[in-house]
Amino acid sequence: DADVTQTPRNRITKTGKRIMLECSQTKGHDRMYWYRQDPGLGLRLIYYSFDVKDINKGEISDGYSVSRQAQAKFSLSLESAIPNQTALYFCATSDLSSGGSTDTQYFGPGTRLTVL
Amino acid sequence: GESVGLHLPTLSVQEGDNSIINCAYSNSASDYFIWYKQESGKGPQFIIDIRSNMDKRQGQRVTVLLNKTVKHLSLQIAATQPGDSAVYFCAENGDSSYKLIFGSGTRLLVRP
Repeated sequence: DADVTQTPRNRITKTGKRIMLECSQTKGHDRMYWYRQDPGLGLRLIYYSFDVKDINKGEISDGYSVSRQAQAKFSLSLESAIPNQTALYFCATSDLSSGGSTDTQYFGPGTRLTVL
Repeated sequence: GESVGLHLPTLSVQEGDNSIINCAYSNSASDYFIWYKQESGKGPQFIIDIRSNMDKRQGQRVTVLLNKTVKHLSLQIAATQPGDSAVYFCAENGDSSYKLIFGSGTRLLVRP
């Protein structure tokens, strides 16, 4: 979805390096999410943010941190990358204003991260 | 724990045939379900969703069926086309209004 962009799209780094993945959205959504996808597995939630001042851990937050710089920007950091953090990383956004009890989440194109 | 699983990891169909992708969910509190399509090198793309007060919902060439009695969800694609080849994920909201629990995905292959 072109409304959700991620940079970089691909990154190769070494063990111990600090890495930042960035996500921007033009959908005007309040809620943003970071997921990790490993081969053969579904998406697992790392962190999520309901607004600029509200950040919450997901199911696999260890080794990661996030920053919600603005409503439209949500970055994911690996403070000291390790090989088992090699994966596809997806950012998503949602907005309850569409109605209903649960948000529909819209995903960015992903970042492929390789940690050597 | 909570889980969303799929019966068939890979489904191969002839172009023009109908496809059915199945999904089992385990959390009885889930009241929202969604199907995503993920093509190679792309992020998951929303296909269709359904709330627990419905049994069936139709979109363009796609239909989602929900059977709450047996906690089963299916995605039907009519007249499957080569462009439908992708991995399809189902997801449920569990007891949350904002978090989604994803299954591991089914790969759909369309034979010409």
